[in-house]
Amino acid sequence: LAKTTQPISMDSYEGQEVNITCSHNNIATNDYITWYQQFPSQGPRFIIQGYKTKVTNEVASLFIPADRKSSTLSLPRVSLSDTAVYYCLVVHGSGNTGKLIFGQGTTLQVKP
Amino acid sequence: DSGVTQTPKHLITATGQRVTLRCSPRSGDLSVYWYQQSLDQGLQFLIHYYNGEERAKGNILERFSAQQFPDLHSELNLSSLELGDSALYFCASSVGPGRGGDADTQYFGPGTRLTVL
Repeated sequence: LAKTTQPISMDSYEGQEVNITCSHNNIATNDYITWYQQFPSQGPRFIIQGYKTKVTNEVASLFIPADRKSSTLSLPRVSLSDTAVYYCLVVHGSGNTGKLIFGQGTTLQVKP
Repeated sequence: DSGVTQTPKHLITATGQRVTLRCSPRSGDLSVYWYQQSLDQGLQFLIHYYNGEERAKGNILERFSAQQFPDLHSELNLSSLELGDSALYFCASSVGPGRGGDADTQYFGPGTRLTVL
């Protein structure tokens, strides 16, 4: 399973766009990139998943360059309630057992 | 609300005891996954069931066991509890068997906080 590397922490201010980049140099052809958000003492919440190029939903965008060795989660106009830990995961497709490997995540602190 | 329910929300027990945690997946989901989150270990995968069958095991201790019932709910049994078993236990569910893609997006429940005294 591909290992992911992301910043341990980031600070931002309300109303700003936040970009969290994750590197996954050993990503395989069948792997998907998935992001989860977790608030203290709550279960991780699925944010977005992608395979290549750009994916956008109502809460975030995910940018994946052609080589797929990194990905960037973009949160538009963050608010205080976006303060959380964000996990980047590489999920192996095709024969995957389904287990998710969570790293340290990025703790995002949004300030007023 | 993810649609995954877990009971109980909190559990306090003593060392050496046995407890059972329960998880009901989202309607229509066939897979159930269990994870443990402790302060020093982060989120760790324990075990995965798909439609009643065990699919994969992670870092699950021999003192722990799980099963998925015909109605697709799952139970995680923790026995001979030790202080180090104190953690948040999450279950997640997905539609598919874990092969990746949209059908295997995992949705997590609110967790059970286990405290072993």
